[in-house]
Amino acid sequence: KAGVTQTPRYLIKTRGQQVTLSCSPISGHRSVSWYQQTPGQGLQFLFEYFSETQRNKGNFPGRFSGRQFSNSRSEMNVSTLELGDSALYLCASSLPQPGQEYHTFGSGTRLTVV
Amino acid sequence: QKEVEQDPGPLSVPEGAIVSLNCTYSNSAFQYFMWYRQYSRKGPELLMYTYSSGNKEDGRFTAQVDKSSKYISLFIRDSQPSDSATYLCAINAGGTSYGKLTFGQGTILTVHP
Repeated sequence: KAGVTQTPRYLIKTRGQQVTLSCSPISGHRSVSWYQQTPGQGLQFLFEYFSETQRNKGNFPGRFSGRQFSNSRSEMNVSTLELGDSALYLCASSLPQPGQEYHTFGSGTRLTVV
Repeated sequence: QKEVEQDPGPLSVPEGAIVSLNCTYSNSAFQYFMWYRQYSRKGPELLMYTYSSGNKEDGRFTAQVDKSSKYISLFIRDSQPSDSATYLCAINAGGTSYGKLTFGQGTILTVHP
């Protein structure tokens, strides 16, 4: 079974630009969550999508948004990029019950804002 | 106060040592407790999960949860250089919030030969 796939792996963007990141979950997983990881703040929850609806949301500004498609693939968008948005963005897909497929992470997209 | 507190270390031990990693949490609504291992430039990998107080063992790894004290631990026996990584505790309230994990800061572990 294929794991969680995130594309692209690396991105360099300029301040003020916008960026879209993609996440393909494990087949059969309907929940996709996004996280931001930085050295200072650690791993922080951005939002979760379930069946094309945002179900949970973290404490991030409205510049961070996402969506989920009918095949459960998800995209995350950051508008008006700031230097502080430089981070590793991780997505995880999950089944509802604890087990080995509970919150399986992709390898992430490393975003650098210059 | 953060919802989950984890000593960031770093922790350096000799090969074969027993390693103890710990987290405390503040919200008694949390029901599921996980430990992830993250190697450099990789996503976190699930090591252990549990949802009740007590111990759970898997090979060299033991996860311990004490809900009354809001304290979780991961023990690594006979540590190996390949265990060198960042270890993250994560907790979850379950139900319709199962898609949201709250992480500790992570502990950087180095096991030297």
